[in-house]
Amino acid sequence: AQSVTQLGSHVSVSEGALVLLRCNYSSSVPPYLFWYVQYPNQGLQLLLKYTSAATLVKGINGFEAEFKKSETSFHLTKPSAHMSDAAEYFCAVSDVGTGGFKTIFGAGTRLFVKA
Amino acid sequence: DGGITQSPKYLFRKEGQNVTLSCEQNLNHDAMYWYRQDPGQGLRLIYYSQIVNDFQKGDIAEGYSVSREKKESFPLTVTSAQKNPTAFYLCASSPTGVSDEQFFGPGTRLTVL
Repeated sequence: AQSVTQLGSHVSVSEGALVLLRCNYSSSVPPYLFWYVQYPNQGLQLLLKYTSAATLVKGINGFEAEFKKSETSFHLTKPSAHMSDAAEYFCAVSDVGTGGFKTIFGAGTRLFVKA
Repeated sequence: DGGITQSPKYLFRKEGQNVTLSCEQNLNHDAMYWYRQDPGQGLRLIYYSQIVNDFQKGDIAEGYSVSREKKESFPLTVTSAQKNPTAFYLCASSPTGVSDEQFFGPGTRLTVL
C-alpha cells in the first residue's frame, strides 16, 4: 500500500539559509511523486513532480527535489530561503493499483522563515 | 483564464442543516476530487470522479454526497449525518492519469454553529 511520511510538521529557517523538507514514501510499483505548496487559506499549487525522466527535478520558485529510490525519499530543497517561502508544503505519491490509480498526500510541513 | 472555482469562500450553517459546496472547472479535465483539510492532518479524500455520471467514495465519504452530471461541475453536499463538518474543503481536478498533477481550487471554509 502507498504511504507518504513527511518528517517534521514544522521547520524553521533563517532568511538566506538552506531549506530542506523531508519526504519518504512507500509504493509497490514505480511511483509518481509531487510537491505542492499551500499559502494560508488558499488551495494547493504544484511546485514540481517526478515522473521518472530525471532523478533531480527542478520546480518553481527555486525549489528542487531529488528522487532516491534506494532511500525511498523525495526531499525538497532550496539553497536560500526567502520570506515569501513561508507556507505549508505537501508531498504526494501517485501510483497504479488494482483499483486504478490513487494519490496519497503527506500530512504537510509548515515552513517558517525568520528575518 | 482556465481554472477551478469554489464558492462560497466562507460558509456558516447551523447544526443539522445540509449544505452544498460548489466546484466548477473550465480546464476540460476528466477527473475531479473533493478533499477535507483539518489542521495537522493533511488532505483526506472524500469523493472522486473520473468521468461524468460516475464517482467513487474516498477515505472519509460518510456524511457526504456528490454528483457529477456535467464534466465541469462536481458539487459536494455535507449532510447532517456528518458528525464534525467544520473544516476547510478543497476541490481539485486533473486530466486523468497516474502521472498527472492535480489543480486545486481556492477552498471553502465551512463552519457549523
